[in-house]
Amino acid sequence: DSGVTQTPKHLITATGQRVTLRCSPRSGDLSVYWYQQSLDQGLQFLIQYYNGEERAKGNILERFSAQQFPDLHSELNLSSLELGDSALYFCASSPRGGNEQFFGPGTRLTVL
Amino acid sequence: EDKVVQSPLSLVVHEGDTVTLNCSYEVTNFRSLLWYKQEKKAPTFLFMLTSSGIEKKSGRLSSILDKKELSSILNITATQTGDSAIYLCAVGYGNKLVFGAGTILRVKS
Repeated sequence: DSGVTQTPKHLITATGQRVTLRCSPRSGDLSVYWYQQSLDQGLQFLIQYYNGEERAKGNILERFSAQQFPDLHSELNLSSLELGDSALYFCASSPRGGNEQFFGPGTRLTVL
Repeated sequence: EDKVVQSPLSLVVHEGDTVTLNCSYEVTNFRSLLWYKQEKKAPTFLFMLTSSGIEKKSGRLSSILDKKELSSILNITATQTGDSAIYLCAVGYGNKLVFGAGTILRVKS
């Protein structure tokens, strides 16, 4: 158990809908990262927040957005969902902005 | 384009065998190389290698970074069925990690 928690574990929704994934980092970690893992793309970095501010962006679609709150938990919002958005979404955290990242259990999103 | 390539894609060994997994990379502003083990769900951190720490060992697992060859290897000795997993290599630059596709390891009893 890495100490990073994510909810929900599973999410099934329909195309066009909007969902919110939630992540709580390890105690004391200021940085939160979001990743998407699909069978054909592997693990892809989406976005990083550090102490409430966006720090780095990866291959994140415009339909996706994230934020980190004052208590350091983070939410990833996915809107206008498409079938291709079905994937495992991981959150990871690290103490500052270092590369040593610890992953949560993930949220499996299925878009029907 | 930043790239991390792992080989082999998959391998099957018998318990007790020694395996070597490979990772090569092309990234600008290299900062670190990490190895993760992914079983059912979340990747679990194994090692992080940097310019100041090019060799790490933990039990039966060890890893070396070759900055000249832009590559790393992960060795697992005396493999056990519990070592069956996907092993992911990631390279850090700036605040980002770029992951390879992984090596699927299956250890047969």
